[in-house]
Amino acid sequence: QVQLVESGGGVVQPGRSLRLSCAASGFTFSSYGMHWVRQAPGKGLEWVAVISYDGNNKYYEDSMKGRFTISRDNSKNTLYLQMNSLRAEDTAVYYCAKDLGILSLGKDYWGQGTLVTVSS
Amino acid sequence: DIQMTQSPSSVSASVGDRVTITCRASQGIRNWLAWYQQKPGKAPNLLIFAASNLQSGVPSRFSGSGSGTDFTLTISSLQPEDSATYYCQGTNSFPLTFAGGTKVEIK
Repeated sequence: QVQLVESGGGVVQPGRSLRLSCAASGFTFSSYGMHWVRQAPGKGLEWVAVISYDGNNKYYEDSMKGRFTISRDNSKNTLYLQMNSLRAEDTAVYYCAKDLGILSLGKDYWGQGTLVTVSS
Repeated sequence: DIQMTQSPSSVSASVGDRVTITCRASQGIRNWLAWYQQKPGKAPNLLIFAASNLQSGVPSRFSGSGSGTDFTLTISSLQPEDSATYYCQGTNSFPLTFAGGTKVEIK
């Protein structure tokens, strides 16, 4: 069965960095696009970034472009999100999600989420 | 960037009612649209992809329609377990924006 397990969340001071990981299992990781989606407390869903199945194509939400970097290691079945220059407004639960296709068709499996709190 | 808007923001209906949620894109996105259901404290669940394709395992009372800029999610006979927030999202034009969501409550 498909499993996505995020890790790396926690409390971090404004301006610092954090790297999230998402360990995937139960499917051929290298065949699917992967996303990060976040949700601030009590708010709606916010798409963060997507990476194509082979890692060659990456797209970001405008407010995160230049600060966040999505990457993947297909040999380790792992997705990453490097977050730099963190702000209070980046506080959210971060979900990784598998796409139905090679880039973006719909997110059919989601992890349980990892909470990132940016606070001094 | 393409903006996505949903209406209504909330709806209260009785078990067995037909519920319709609309989603509008600021530019045409053909049929590149997905619908998600999210229950409190849980990750979202994909209901519909490519505007009208029912995701495997999703009850047939859910259906999607539309193309271009206007889309609809319909729950044909509302069930207690359908109490949740529903989101649409365009899937082909980056950045991929979620609409603000529609909270469905059971009367």
